[in-house]
Amino acid sequence: DAKTTQPPSMDCAEGRAANLPCNHSTISGNEYVYWYRQIHSQGPQYIIHGLKNNETNEMASLIITEDRKSSTLILPHATLRDTAVYYCIVRSYNNNDMRFGAGTRLTVKP
Amino acid sequence: EPEVTQTPSHQVTQMGQEVILRCVPISNHLYFYWYRQILGQKVEFLVSFYNNEISEKSEIFDDQFSVERPDGSNFTLKIRSTKLEDSAMYFCASSFTGTSNYNEQFFGPGTRLTVL
Repeated sequence: DAKTTQPPSMDCAEGRAANLPCNHSTISGNEYVYWYRQIHSQGPQYIIHGLKNNETNEMASLIITEDRKSSTLILPHATLRDTAVYYCIVRSYNNNDMRFGAGTRLTVKP
Repeated sequence: EPEVTQTPSHQVTQMGQEVILRCVPISNHLYFYWYRQILGQKVEFLVSFYNNEISEKSEIFDDQFSVERPDGSNFTLKIRSTKLEDSAMYFCASSFTGTSNYNEQFFGPGTRLTVL
């Protein structure tokens, strides 16, 4: 699976959009980009995933660049409850495990 | 909303003892997983399970570990002879599909294992 690079930490003001970047420059054609988050010591929570098109659901939007070498997770109106570690994972179609990195620790501030 | 449940929430054991961690996956899911997270470290994949057999396992999942689906609802992780370094949070996860583009894995709340 392709390696991902994320900033170790980010801050965001409550009510503003949180834009979390992920670099996956070695991604290959059959690899998907998944985003999970982990609030404190809880189990990771699925957020969204995509292959090459932008995706949106009730939690977030995922913007994938045309060359697929990077992506951005957008939380449109961050709340204090969105404070968590966010993981960008690139997963091959042929693998069924998620390989977590260190992620980005997002702190939403009042 | 259906969710993955795990018991116990916290298990304390003596080094060398056997432990069994239990999970009830989401009822219509077909793929089951165990992950662990040592305090302060990243979440690590241990094993995936489908159709009553292991489909993939990591280097961490050695002979001390085993998994079983003893009935139609439970999924267990057994550690035969616990070591101090097995102390971690263990997460169970399940998904409806495996190797496809819809492999959203749903995680349980975890079992904190402390080996003394």
